[in-house]
Amino acid sequence: GQQVMQIPQYQHVQEGEDFTTYCNSSTTLSNIQWYKQRPGGHPVFLIQLVKSGEVKKQKRLTFQFGEAKKNSSLHITATQTTDVGTYFCADNAGNMLTFGGGTRLMVKP
Amino acid sequence: EAQVTQNPRYLITVTGKKLTVTCSQNMNHEYMSWYRQDPGLGLRQIYYSMNVEVTDKGDVPEGYKVSRKEKRNFPLILESPSPNQTSLYFCASSYTRPGVTGAFFGQGTRLTVV
Repeated sequence: GQQVMQIPQYQHVQEGEDFTTYCNSSTTLSNIQWYKQRPGGHPVFLIQLVKSGEVKKQKRLTFQFGEAKKNSSLHITATQTTDVGTYFCADNAGNMLTFGGGTRLMVKP
Repeated sequence: EAQVTQNPRYLITVTGKKLTVTCSQNMNHEYMSWYRQDPGLGLRQIYYSMNVEVTDKGDVPEGYKVSRKEKRNFPLILESPSPNQTSLYFCASSYTRPGVTGAFFGQGTRLTVV
């Protein structure tokens, strides 16, 4: 089936630094969803991107969908310790969600 | 409170002993699904259900069964568990397919098969 690659797998940042995670596919993505999973918690839906080139913002989080709909990114400006967790992208195609492997973000205070 | 409830949260069992993980949602969602989460692999879909009595395989269905007799419940059955089914399992639901509002996940069930 569809394969969704996510990089990096881990990222350590100092509090206040920016962070970006990338989601890539060799084939066209349908719709991209982003989830956050806190340590020991469950995935929580953040947003869905549908259109080519779409950009959406949620406070310090900026989500982008590539022009060719083969990649997406999540950028966090000025990270805080509350941003700690694993961020997943997921392709919402047909009746299924296909998840990337996730990027684990660690923030040093 | 809108929620997806899974039970048990933790389970240690022996190879071959049948088990069921229950999942219930109180949001009148049509779509429900099961995922397993393994380090570095993200979440992989096991089975999903579009509505009552309608179920279909996901990416990793081998060794699992599901049923959807009522809208709110979607149990995951392991008829003969094996150690490679040791994992963290999540149930999720959404209004229709995981559309604009995304999927709501349960708290997870950590299963260990020895």
